[in-house]
Amino acid sequence: NAGVTQTPKFQVLKTGQSMTLQCAQDMNHEYMSWYRQDPGMGLRLIHYSVGAGITDQGEVPNGYNVSRSTTEDFPLRLLSAAPSQTSVYFCASSRGQGPSQPQHFGDGTRLSIL
Amino acid sequence: AQTVTQSQPEMSVQEAETVTLSCTYDTSESDYYLFWYKQPPSRQMILVIRQEAYKQQNATENRFSVNFQKAAKSFSLKISDSQLGDAAMYFCAYRSEAGNTPLVFGKGTRLSVIA
Repeated sequence: NAGVTQTPKFQVLKTGQSMTLQCAQDMNHEYMSWYRQDPGMGLRLIHYSVGAGITDQGEVPNGYNVSRSTTEDFPLRLLSAAPSQTSVYFCASSRGQGPSQPQHFGDGTRLSIL
Repeated sequence: AQTVTQSQPEMSVQEAETVTLSCTYDTSESDYYLFWYKQPPSRQMILVIRQEAYKQQNATENRFSVNFQKAAKSFSLKISDSQLGDAAMYFCAYRSEAGNTPLVFGKGTRLSVIA
């Protein structure tokens, strides 16, 4: 049972490069989301999706794009990386939209922008 | 918008002792859920305990329990008989009862366990 799988685990980019962080879940979860974790800031929501074809912005969406073409996958795209996007990124999923449903997190991607 | 505040950036506890981590939140809603997540050095986010706002009884999970004070908007986590494996970052989180809402996290408390 793989759960939520994020790839890659580590990545170094140069300013201006583009990149896609992959997130896949095998639990048939409807709800998926992306967070970034910065020191002293906790986890902040970037984008989320309540189902295939539906996405919405979170607290810090600027500089990131998402799409949800399938239930399983929810990639996060950085079109032109900036040093301010250096962070650890977490993907999470949960069954349905109910708030009582526990969120399952991936192991995170550590991204450094030089 | 809802906010979650963890006022203790760092805490420490002796092995086998009890420690309480504080969390307060701000909301105008009456129905919501509160969570505590643990993040060990491995970076995984692990759900520790969950509390439904409509339940007056405090949630417990083995050595972990909460003190939920709805009127005071307080949700503290008590860890009893602390173990070395409890050392981690702990995040308090809020989620509205309303549909399609994400988790709102506090900034975390780093817990050290002293042998």
